[in-house]
Amino acid sequence: QVQLQESGPGLVKPSQTLSLTCTVSGGSISSGSYYWSWIRQPAGKGLEWIGRIYTSGSTNYNPSLKSRVTISVDTSKNQFSLKLSSVTAADTAVYYCARERRVAGNYRTYYYYMDVWGKGTTVTVSS
Amino acid sequence: DIQMTQSPSTLSASVGDRVTITCRASQSISSWLAWYQQKPGKAPKLLIYKASSLESGVPSRFSGSGFGTEFTLTISSLQPDDFATYYCQQYNSFQYSFGQGTKLEIK
Repeated sequence: QVQLQESGPGLVKPSQTLSLTCTVSGGSISSGSYYWSWIRQPAGKGLEWIGRIYTSGSTNYNPSLKSRVTISVDTSKNQFSLKLSSVTAADTAVYYCARERRVAGNYRTYYYYMDVWGKGTTVTVSS
Repeated sequence: DIQMTQSPSTLSASVGDRVTITCRASQSISSWLAWYQQKPGKAPKLLIYKASSLESGVPSRFSGSGFGTEFTLTISSLQPDDFATYYCQQYNSFQYSFGQGTKLEIK
């Protein structure tokens, strides 16, 4: 079955750019009608959705982070990536990648929910 | 933005108990709600989608219900493995939002 694995630096300096990659195994990132998402969780706190990408390159971002976030996809490597610029200590968190599965609604609309998650990677912002 | 509010924040219960967690949305989200279970140091695990559809492989003691703005997750008979934190999440709007979590503790 599909598995996701996050990778990237565990320590980032304030004002720099956080860069993470999610590698998809057990299936092609391009197959099926899936979105691919990033979510984060500060220690002891709840979950915050960051944004998502379709394999066509179409993206949606959390408005609270939109000015600092870029999500991209590399189908040849079966990966998608997150860049978060101008980081501060408030960006310290466990970062998860996830697959979004599609379910049909009415009037040919579709809705997506996160069905497969990576194990998460801890990123600390500190000088 | 759609705000999701869970209650209670903490729930103490015993093995064998029936427990219910409530999730309220600040506006109607139809049935576009998922429930996740998270254990310490682990990623969230999908339990329920579309408010009441049980994810494959999830024990049948878990069930979800609700529509519009009020939803519930019920565990019919608590097992030791069920003590964890539970989150609801709306996906009616692609500006996804999660509840703050309900920690289910052993009494």
